[in-house]
Order: sequence, then structure tokens, then C-alpha cells
Amino acid sequence: TQLLEQSPQFLSIQEGENLTVYCNSSSVFSSLQWYRQEPGEGPVLLVTVVTGGEVKKLKRLTFQFGDARKDSSLHITAAQTGDTGLYLCAGGKRDDKIIFGKGTRLHILP
Amino acid sequence: SAVISQKPSRDICQRGTSLTIQCQVDSQVTMMFWYRQQPGQSLTLIATANQGSEATYESGFVIDKFPISRPNLTFSTLTVSNLSPEDSSIYLCSVSIGDKYWGYTFGSGTRLTVV
Repeated sequence: TQLLEQSPQFLSIQEGENLTVYCNSSSVFSSLQWYRQEPGEGPVLLVTVVTGGEVKKLKRLTFQFGDARKDSSLHITAAQTGDTGLYLCAGGKRDDKIIFGKGTRLHILP
Repeated sequence: SAVISQKPSRDICQRGTSLTIQCQVDSQVTMMFWYRQQPGQSLTLIATANQGSEATYESGFVIDKFPISRPNLTFSTLTVSNLSPEDSSIYLCSVSIGDKYWGYTFGSGTRLTVV
């Protein structure tokens, strides 16, 4: 059974600080995706990484896929209150079901 | 990318009754996915719905409890039957974003409370 472990589960930091969220597995994934979910909404895709060692940037967010395609990280620089939400990593194959990690609940304090 | 309309957005139901959730997609899609998200938790896949065939259920989920219909390539329903308080969750449908992008888009969810 493929499992994705996310850490930390909860993170509360001050606005302006940097943070990193991790997503780890013992299995190899064809792709890893990161989603952000806000209360009352479905998850929204932030990025998909498919190549081992790949790094993608989305404004202040930097996503990395491990060389062995078993892990990924999300780094946020100079966090803002608008970054608050539930961050989910998910892994799987294209056009197939995906498996979600348990999520990291991020709270940015003003 | 595909846009999903999901309804109802929330409902409060009595024990023993059923709730049917609808998802309408603005484009034709082969597979639709139904998830459950329990309070404060991540998403758990209930089943995959393909048009013209029976849904494929994940371990721990059965058709009698979660019957799914997929009458065409743009629409699906999930029924949660014989409700109990343990069924109180958010239910979400999802489809692939599209050929150019690798990812999924989700409906806004249905928050079910069973009393």
C-alpha cells in the first residue's frame, strides 16, 4: 500500500517567516502534486512535479521533487496571512487515482 | 481546466435517511472520483466512476452504502445511504484537469451533518 507522510501536521508561524513542509513515502510515484484547501472549498492544485530532482517556483512557493521520486517539499518564503490553509500532497499516476497525505494545517499569524 | 458544480453545498439529515450529491462537469471526462474528508482530516477515495460501467470502490467502501451513478460523461451522483452520525463528513468529487496539465480539480464539497 502506498502511503504519503506529511510533516509537520500543524504549523503556526509569524508573518514574514519562512517555512518548509515535507511529504515522504517509501514508494516511488509517477508524480507528486501539492494542493491548498481553504475552509468550505475543495482542494486547489498548486503544482505537479514529475521529474526526479525537479524544482518549480510559484511566486513565494518553491516545490521540489526528490531525486528518487519518493519525497517532495514545499518551501514558503516570507509567509503571508493569505497562505493560511490546509496543504495536501498527493501522489499517483496520470489519469488514475491519487493518494493524499494527511495534510499540513498552516496558520500564519499577523 | 474543467469546472465542477457540486450540490448541495451542505445538508443536515436524519439518521436512517439518504443523501444524494450531484456533480456536473462543464466538459466530458472519462473518470470521476468521489472522496470523503472527515473533520480535520485529509481526503480518502471512496470510488472511481466511469461512464457505462459500475464504479470501482476502494477498500472499506461498498456499493450498498455508497451507490454511484454515472449516466453520461459530464454528470455523476453519489448517494450516502442509511445515514449514521459517523457519515458526517465533507464529500467531494474530482476530475482530471485536462490533457495539458497533470492534476485534478475538485468540486467545492458537500458538508453532511447527520443528526
